[in-house]
Amino acid sequence: QVQLVQSGSELKKPGASVIVSCKASGYTFTDNGMTWVRQAPGQGPEWMGWINTNTGNPTYAQGFTGRFVFSLDTSVSTAYLQISSLKAEDTAVYYCARFNRYLDYWGQGTLVTVSS
Amino acid sequence: EIVLTQSPDTLSLSPGERATLSCRASQSITSNYLDWYQQKPGQAPRLLIYGASSRATGIPDRFSGSGSGTDFTLTISRLEPEDFAVYYCQQFGSSPCTFGQGTKLEIK
Repeated sequence: QVQLVQSGSELKKPGASVIVSCKASGYTFTDNGMTWVRQAPGQGPEWMGWINTNTGNPTYAQGFTGRFVFSLDTSVSTAYLQISSLKAEDTAVYYCARFNRYLDYWGQGTLVTVSS
Repeated sequence: EIVLTQSPDTLSLSPGERATLSCRASQSITSNYLDWYQQKPGQAPRLLIYGASSRATGIPDRFSGSGSGTDFTLTISRLEPEDFAVYYCQQFGSSPCTFGQGTKLEIK
């Protein structure tokens, strides 16, 4: 069965960096793109962009350029989200989701808390 | 970008009743690439409906989607206790992908 398993919660200080991983199993990793979605506390989901798992080409939504980087390690079927220069407003749950023109499988989410 | 507006913000109903949730787009959605998700507290969203009207794998047939262009509807024919949650519509007919603000379905 298809599974996306994300890395655990992170507590970071402002200015630090964080990497969230998303390991896929149960399907051919390069058959589908991978999307990243942010959900701030009490808010709805927000699409951050997606990465083409064949080419490694990322597409970033407006508001997620510069400090946000999507990457892959196809040898271990894993996608990564790196956020640098963390700010308090980056506190949120970050989800990876398999991209099929719709988001049919989701990771369990990774809570990133930014606090001094 | 396409703005999705869901209504109502909150819907209070009892188990066994019929729920009708609306999603209106600021412009027509290409190829009806409009999807619906259910989210319960502490959980990831779950895909219910894709392409406006196709049920995702494992979704009970009490869930149905309809609509085209700019107006879409999610209907739950007879509410079960586990259906009380927040529902989001989402479009990827044109980039960027956008989500509605959500409708909270609560027990009356």
